[in-house]
Amino acid sequence: GAGVSQSPSNKVTEKGKDVELRCDPISGHTALYWYRQSLGQGLEFLIYFQGNSAPDKSGLPSDRFSAERTGGSVSTLTIQRTQQEDSAVYLCASSPTSGGYGYTFGSGTRLTVV
Amino acid sequence: DQQVKQNSPSLSVQEGRISILNCDYTNSMFDYFLWYKKYPAEGPTFLISISSIKDKNEDGRFTVFLNKSAKHLSLHIVPSQPGDSAVYFCAANTYSGGGADGLTFGKGTHLIIQP
Repeated sequence: GAGVSQSPSNKVTEKGKDVELRCDPISGHTALYWYRQSLGQGLEFLIYFQGNSAPDKSGLPSDRFSAERTGGSVSTLTIQRTQQEDSAVYLCASSPTSGGYGYTFGSGTRLTVV
Repeated sequence: DQQVKQNSPSLSVQEGRISILNCDYTNSMFDYFLWYKKYPAEGPTFLISISSIKDKNEDGRFTVFLNKSAKHLSLHIVPSQPGDSAVYFCAANTYSGGGADGLTFGKGTHLIIQP
């Protein structure tokens, strides 16, 4: 597709369940970023991929969060044993190179943990 | 510790007037700055950027000013139009370092253009 595609667009899950969020970046973009926006907060950096490797995982809030990227393309963000504080909009962005330039964001996944 | 600060959560401006959105940063290593615009239920979209070798960058109705000594940048929109109503995020990066750690964003300012 022409843009960054994220699925699902909305997800409601029960506390304690695992969720998987998917990001399909723009074809050819080597860099992929996950951010989240909690209510009333800015965009919080979670993890960055260059190709399939993740040189920077420093933003992952806890070991319940993990992410992978296969084939240098699609990425999944997995949250295990979800908690109510995980409720947020999870945004994925891709760019042709690393460095934060030419970011294109997806529309995000709104996660609600009840 | 917020490295990029947008101290005004919201701003209301009359249509046709100038909108000025402010941003402050604390990390002196930042040398590339960007503004993003976000409508509800959409991802942020890139608006305008400036590198630290400049103090002004203009693109149509949008101008970004950078004051490195004050670690302050601002986005001017003139004239303001109803379609400019959105949340504006300031972001910063370290160009010279390759920026591999991604952009650091502020909390955003919700701009409301009044008819």
